[in-house]
Amino acid sequence: AQSVTQLDSQVPVFEEAPVELRCNYSSSVSVYLFWYVQYPNQGLQLLLKYLSGSTLVKGINGFEAEFNKSQTSFHLRKPSVHISDTAEYFCAVSPSSGGSYIPTFGRGTSLIVHP
Amino acid sequence: DVKVTQSSRYLVKRTGEKVFLECVQDMDHENMFWYRQDPGLGLRLIYFSYDVKMKEKGDIPEGYSVSREKKERFSLILESASTNQTSMYLCASSLGRGLETQYFGPGTRLLVL
Repeated sequence: AQSVTQLDSQVPVFEEAPVELRCNYSSSVSVYLFWYVQYPNQGLQLLLKYLSGSTLVKGINGFEAEFNKSQTSFHLRKPSVHISDTAEYFCAVSPSSGGSYIPTFGRGTSLIVHP
Repeated sequence: DVKVTQSSRYLVKRTGEKVFLECVQDMDHENMFWYRQDPGLGLRLIYFSYDVKMKEKGDIPEGYSVSREKKERFSLILESASTNQTSMYLCASSLGRGLETQYFGPGTRLLVL
């Protein structure tokens, strides 16, 4: 079984400031890691994912995330946010072995970018 | 591009009604999922299907059933709608297992009065 904790339910930030959205997970097996974004009144779409290899993953819209196995974290970062980044962000994990491939989602972090 | 469509964006139903939510994907994906999304609770898996006519319960299947008669279509059924089923319902599909991206539909916002 696995679980995902998104430590902040809401993150307010000013436009052009950097932002970090935190995600920690627990799992008894190795995992794949994902960040999804949900813009208002839309479904979720993939921002980036970590499957293997380099622990720094770059995604769309200038976002990146770093996998830290020792701290079981996969924090999402962007050096300079825009108003259009206002959205709900979900971290998700999926086991890479063991048969069950169903992803587990965190509760989401609402990023609110102020002008 | 993968496209996942849901039959309605908004739906208003009365308590006790039978409700059908339909989801169609156009990329020949094996797996399809139904989630409900509630503020502060994130996404919770209701049912999923990894093949035609196959279904598995997710975390919160009570009060719901599903049907997958064709590979591209996955239906969620509320046998007798209740007010606590008022929610946003999201359908998703994916190609394979684990490492595959899930593709989501736009969601159906259901209000049960």
